[in-house]
Amino acid sequence: GEDVEQSLFLSVREGDSSVINCTYTDSSSTYLYWYKQEPGAGLQLLTYIFSNMDMKQDQRLTVLLNKKDKHLSLRIADTQTGDSAIYFCAETPGGNTGKLIFGQGTTLQVKP
Amino acid sequence: EAQVTQNPRYLITVTGKKLTVTCSQNMNHEYMSWYRQDPGLGLRQIYYSMNVEVTDKGDVPEGYKVSRKEKRNFPLILESPSPNQTSLYFCASSPRVLDEQYFGPGTRLTVT
Repeated sequence: GEDVEQSLFLSVREGDSSVINCTYTDSSSTYLYWYKQEPGAGLQLLTYIFSNMDMKQDQRLTVLLNKKDKHLSLRIADTQTGDSAIYFCAETPGGNTGKLIFGQGTTLQVKP
Repeated sequence: EAQVTQNPRYLITVTGKKLTVTCSQNMNHEYMSWYRQDPGLGLRQIYYSMNVEVTDKGDVPEGYKVSRKEKRNFPLILESPSPNQTSLYFCASSPRVLDEQYFGPGTRLTVT
């Protein structure tokens, strides 16, 4: 079945870059997403990438997609304490099915 | 204000007592979905709905029911709750499938 894996924890210093990694199993995924969850809140979409793209940049965020290795990463440049949150990657397996598969979430801790 | 609302936000109940968690969106979205969030497991999709009167199972539908009689409402029904359904539940909606999902604030359910 479809599966999405993430490491559970990442700690960085303020001002450094953060790289959060994700692997997925469904080679027919069409969209891949990064969502952010702040403490006590629901999820908010950060960015997404189509499966026919290799890279997408949006201000401090860079998403890299390696389809061959089924690997997705989110780089946050100049990480701030306000970036401390849980980050989830998610995929839509097999295209327009309505399903959304999330990873376990990576807790990003930013130290001042 | 455009939003997804869930009620109740917190609920403690006993095994076997039927309950309903309501979800409502005021954005005229076609797509709605329910997730549960458990530590170390991320979010898992319970049910989703592509439009009125159309519902489909997600990854963990056992023990849950849903209905979509109107576009704005997508209630989650637990006919006979059990302790393993203790979790944090999120409802989400999006204009169409694959679009950004907007999440409600969450419902924390405890079944004793």
